[in-house]
Amino acid sequence: NAGVTQTPKFQVLKTGQSMTLQCAQDMNHNSMYWYRQDPGMGLRLIYYSASEGTTDKGEVPNGYNVSRLNKREFSLRLESAAPSQTSVYFCASSEQGSGGNQPQHFGDGTRLSIL
Amino acid sequence: GENVEQHPSTLSVQEGDSAVIKCTYSDSASNYFPWYKQELGKGPQLIIDIRSNVGEKKDQRIAVTLNKTAKHFSLHITETQPEDSAVYFCAVPGGAGGTSYGKLTFGQGTILTVHP
Repeated sequence: NAGVTQTPKFQVLKTGQSMTLQCAQDMNHNSMYWYRQDPGMGLRLIYYSASEGTTDKGEVPNGYNVSRLNKREFSLRLESAAPSQTSVYFCASSEQGSGGNQPQHFGDGTRLSIL
Repeated sequence: GENVEQHPSTLSVQEGDSAVIKCTYSDSASNYFPWYKQELGKGPQLIIDIRSNVGEKKDQRIAVTLNKTAKHFSLHITETQPEDSAVYFCAVPGGAGGTSYGKLTFGQGTILTVHP
């Protein structure tokens, strides 16, 4: 069982370039999330999708867009990359429902450097 | 949004000692308190969680305690081993933007080093 799979694992971009980070989960989870992790700041939520067909902003959405392609896939797009977006990006999913918060399962991240 | 403070930021112990990490939160309505372990080059992995209807939960060498009155919860690791060395994060429900449905706000992390 693969869990949450992120591609690519590493990427270097030049300022102004665009790219899409891919995420797929095979646990049939309803909810999916994108975080960025910077030193000393923990994980900060960029966007999330409570269910297929819905997306909503998190704490740090500026400069990003997302697409919930289907129940399995949730992509994150940087339209015009900036050095401040150099970070490690994590995708997560959870079986969110009426029973309250459920554990989130994380992928192993995409390490993105913008020059 | 929810505020979470995690302490200490770094913790160094000898193998066999105990380690305690504490998180305080601001929203008294919070009802779910997970702890995650992140090893180098990997994503965070849930190691234990507690809901507000209990005060303590144990799983082998790991335990979490919750004090809802004081709004803090702690991770306890006993008989530490070198493989416990990692970054540990606490989290609470909620966060900025939209509804709080399913969202978590994470603490800043604690780097635990266990010396053989």
